[in-house]
Amino acid sequence: DQQVKQNSPSLSVQEGRISILNCDYTNSMFDYFLWYKKYPAEGPTFLISISSIKDKNEDGRFTVFLNKSAKHLSLHIVPSQPGDSAVYFCAASKSGYNKLIFGAGTRLAVHP
Amino acid sequence: DAGVIQSPRHEVTEMGQEVTLRCKPISGHDYLFWYRQTMMRGLELLIYFNNNVPIDDSGMPEDRFSAKMPNASFSTLKIQPSEPRDSAVYFCASSGRTHTGELFFGEGSRLTVL
Repeated sequence: DQQVKQNSPSLSVQEGRISILNCDYTNSMFDYFLWYKKYPAEGPTFLISISSIKDKNEDGRFTVFLNKSAKHLSLHIVPSQPGDSAVYFCAASKSGYNKLIFGAGTRLAVHP
Repeated sequence: DAGVIQSPRHEVTEMGQEVTLRCKPISGHDYLFWYRQTMMRGLELLIYFNNNVPIDDSGMPEDRFSAKMPNASFSTLKIQPSEPRDSAVYFCASSGRTHTGELFFGEGSRLTVL
């Protein structure tokens, strides 16, 4: 019973174009969402987050959008670069519970 | 400034053997988490500690798994006896804040059980 779902295991995008990674969640109590990035043989690293009181958060080339009614969030990378090739994990948490629930990850490949 | 340190980085063992994975969190962090990464399920939370006390171990697969945190700078995850289905990458992470705080992950311990 996965509470955080990333239904696309992989995504291939051309350099310079937009990458859109999607994430769905089932628990309406989640109020904080994060994206992590993972390179091979390394641990995941924090990328960007968003609180449920917002619907958008932007940091440079990375923007996270939150649609609470649809229980859906997405990560946009514009423009995509080869160095963005990695596995991206969506994660969620709720107040009072000090743990993150992760999705299964989406492998992004950005090719020249 | 040292991050989360895990050992061993790679472990190959035979079914039935005991496996111990180790973690040193970032100094000053109150929370420590053990995650397991598999192809099918992604990153699964196994257990987490707050101030060395286990808070939630609902993700521990079965009694063969146990975790301890004897002090603020050290934690172990033990599997006894190990089975081939335990093969995965095990990550330790630490955090100094509540649920909005980012986690800092170690590089992981890749376990292969033959």
